[in-house]
Amino acid sequence: QVTLRESGPALVKPTQTLTLTCTVSGFSLSTSGIFVSWLRQPPGKALEWLALIDWHDDKYYSSSLKTRLTISKDTSKNQVVLTMTNMDPVDTATYFCARPSRFGELDYWGQGALVTVSS
Amino acid sequence: DIQMTQSPSTLSASVGDRVSIACRASETISGWLAWYQQKPGKAPKLLIYKVSNLESGVPSRFSGSGSGSEFTLTISRLQPDDFATYYCQQYTTYPWTFGQGTKVEI
Repeated sequence: QVTLRESGPALVKPTQTLTLTCTVSGFSLSTSGIFVSWLRQPPGKALEWLALIDWHDDKYYSSSLKTRLTISKDTSKNQVVLTMTNMDPVDTATYFCARPSRFGELDYWGQGALVTVSS
Repeated sequence: DIQMTQSPSTLSASVGDRVSIACRASETISGWLAWYQQKPGKAPKLLIYKVSNLESGVPSRFSGSGSGSEFTLTISRLQPDDFATYYCQQYTTYPWTFGQGTKVEI
């Protein structure tokens, strides 16, 4: 069965770089038509799409955050990694990874990882 | 970027009511629109994809409609489990974007 699990630090300091890992199971990151996406949700606010990587290693980013984001994958480890530089308290949020279907809707989600940015 | 605007932001309703949530895109999208339900502390759950297709396991009281830039999620007879926040999302073009959410409350 398809599962995704986010991991990473719960607390980061302002200006630091955040690195989050999404470990997947039930599918291979190298299979044609496979995508993995990262999203976030600040407390009490709406969902925000951040980035996506596909099986071919093509990458897509949020317009407002693209200068700070990098998405990558390690197929051998079944992991997708998101890095976000220059963290700020406004980046405090629950970060989700999700797998889009072959059409693009997000049908599988991780449970989310809360990241707090504070000194 | 395509902006998604939902209305209303909050909807007060009772069990058994028929409720509708609107989602408007800032430009025409080619039918690549999804609806999600989210409960506090949980990941979103896919309800509807490609405007009107019901995700497997989702009750048939949920339905989606619309075209162009105007879309609607309808719950035909609200059940206690349906009190949650609902989001629309376009996946026509990158970057994908979400509406600001509609909270359905008692």
